[in-house]
Amino acid sequence: GAVVSQHPSRVICKSGTSVKIECRSLDFQATTMFWYRQFPKQSLMLMATSNEGSKATYEQGVEKDKFLINHASLTLSTLTVTSAHPEDSSFYICSARVQRSYNEQFFGPGTRLTVL
Amino acid sequence: GQQLNQSPQSMFIQEGEDVSMNCTSSSIFNTWLWYKQDPGEGPVLLIALYKAGELTSNGRLTAQFGITRKDSFLNISASIPSDVGIYFCAGQPREDYKLSFGAGTTVTVRA
Repeated sequence: GAVVSQHPSRVICKSGTSVKIECRSLDFQATTMFWYRQFPKQSLMLMATSNEGSKATYEQGVEKDKFLINHASLTLSTLTVTSAHPEDSSFYICSARVQRSYNEQFFGPGTRLTVL
Repeated sequence: GQQLNQSPQSMFIQEGEDVSMNCTSSSIFNTWLWYKQDPGEGPVLLIALYKAGELTSNGRLTAQFGITRKDSFLNISASIPSDVGIYFCAGQPREDYKLSFGAGTTVTVRA
């Protein structure tokens, strides 16, 4: 149990375009999902907390108008990188908190975004 | 979140050796989690610790929640080639469900 999927696994786009990444909890409901960003050889950096049915909470320094988050159901959260630029190229990972336990987060496989 | 101090940053070990890594924090945590990340993949939860002093095993992995609630360690016994990867500790304060991550320990196993 507690499987989280992400789609797509890899995406290459041109500068100025928008890219949507989906995060799904496959076998459980997740009222809260988290979006992280990871640069090569670095740790995970929390970008935002996504709550089902309400606005996301963004970490300091993360532009909410650039990284749009929608958590429309208990099994799906989406991250849209708007007007992507090369510096947005990174590994984006989502996680979901299991509803029965407030302490465990399970991570998706990640999405590698490359902006040309 | 709070920054955790994880050490060592990297280690090269011989197959069959035991591995030990630890994390410390200036803040008290209610939960300690240990994850392993393979290249190009998301982190996979290895062990979760919820109580100060708790010692938990998962196969060849053993982790402990420090009695002061500000530290945790992970041991891997009799390492094998598939233990290669990056290990992250993560802590969670009582009143905040955001995870704070350590910088990671990169483990390379020599056959």
